Parts: sequence; C-alpha cells; structure tokens
Amino acid sequence: GQSLEQPSEVTAVEGAIVQINCTYQTSGFYGLSWYQQHDGGAPTFLSYNGLDGLEETGRFSSFLSRSDSYGYLLLQELQMKDSASYFCAVRDGGRRALTFGSGTRLQVQP
Amino acid sequence: GAVVSQHPSRVICKSGTSVKIECRSLDFQATTMFWYRQFPKQSLMLMATSNEGSKATYEQGVEKDKFLINHASLTLSTLTVTSAHPEDSSFYICSARDLLGGTGELFFGEGSRLTVL
Repeated sequence: GQSLEQPSEVTAVEGAIVQINCTYQTSGFYGLSWYQQHDGGAPTFLSYNGLDGLEETGRFSSFLSRSDSYGYLLLQELQMKDSASYFCAVRDGGRRALTFGSGTRLQVQP
Repeated sequence: GAVVSQHPSRVICKSGTSVKIECRSLDFQATTMFWYRQFPKQSLMLMATSNEGSKATYEQGVEKDKFLINHASLTLSTLTVTSAHPEDSSFYICSARDLLGGTGELFFGEGSRLTVL
C-alpha cells in the first residue's frame, strides 16, 4: 500500500514563500504529484515529479528526492488566492488511481 | 486540454432514495475512471475504479451493492448511491486519465456534493 504524510496546516503572509513537505511510503513508485483544492471545489493539478530534482511552473515549484522518499511544494510570492488545501499524491503504476496525502491547509494572511 | 465533467454538482435527497452521479470525459476516451469520496476537511479517498465494459474494482471497505458503478461507454461512468442515508452525505469526485494523449495527468470532475436528509 501507500501512505503519505504532510503537515496539516501552514500559515504565511502575502508575498512570502512557503514550503509544504511530503514524505511517502509506496510499494512501487511512479512519481509524486501535487494538487490544489479550494473549499467546495475539485482538485486541480499543480505539478508532477517523476525524477529527482526541481520542477518549476511559474510561482510554484516542486522537488523530489526518491532516495529520501520525500518531496515538497514551494509557493513563492504568495497571494491571498493561494489559500487552499494542497495534496501530495502518488501512483503505484499502470492505470491505478492516485493515493492522496491528508492535505495541507494553507492560509495566506494580509 | 482534457476535461472531465460531472453532474449533478449538488443534490439533496431524502433518506432511502437512490442518487445517480454521472462522470464524462469530454474530449478523450477513458477506459478507466476513478471515483473518490471526500468528507469535510479530509483527504480524497478512492472508492472504486470503474472499468469500461467490465465490473468495477472496489476498495476495501466500500460496499459494492451500495455504490453501484456502471461504465458503459468510453466516455461515461455513473455512480449510483442506493438507499442513501445521512452518513453517505459527502463530496463525490470522479477522475480520469487521458492515456492516449497528453501527459497522463489525472483530471478531476467538478465534484458532486450529496446531502442526504
């Protein structure tokens, strides 16, 4: 099976940088994904790491270290609209669905 | 890009009734779709994998007779919550992956919020 751990809550101010960590345990590994979910909405894809290293997409970056079973999502120049829940997720191969972490609720304050 | 559409977005029903939720892949064919359930302030939990033309695969602890899944075509999967009870009130989300095109990213529908009175 798979399990993922991430902090439950993070608070930061506008313009700041925040890092959300995720550690995982999987029987097989086919990449680490990150999703954003606003209250009442569906998850939206943010980033994917299949190999070690940093992936950058605008203000968001994601990092993966397979040897450490660890990754993080980095959000820069925080905006109020970034207040949401962020989930890391892994897939164990083939056409299997994603297994999600418990989610990190980010609150951006003025 | 690929889009997954879900309907209805909100439904309120009386206890004991059945509710059907549809999930459609709008611009790609999905031989497999996934149904998730999410309770307030919790994570998404996989309920079942819907397979086109064959039986769905249910996760441990999910009652297949209560949550009926039908995947009759390559673009449509339905989830029917039978004899719904208040504890079934939740946010149900479907997802699908475009295996033939795109990046293999998992796309989610808009979700269906079920409230059972």
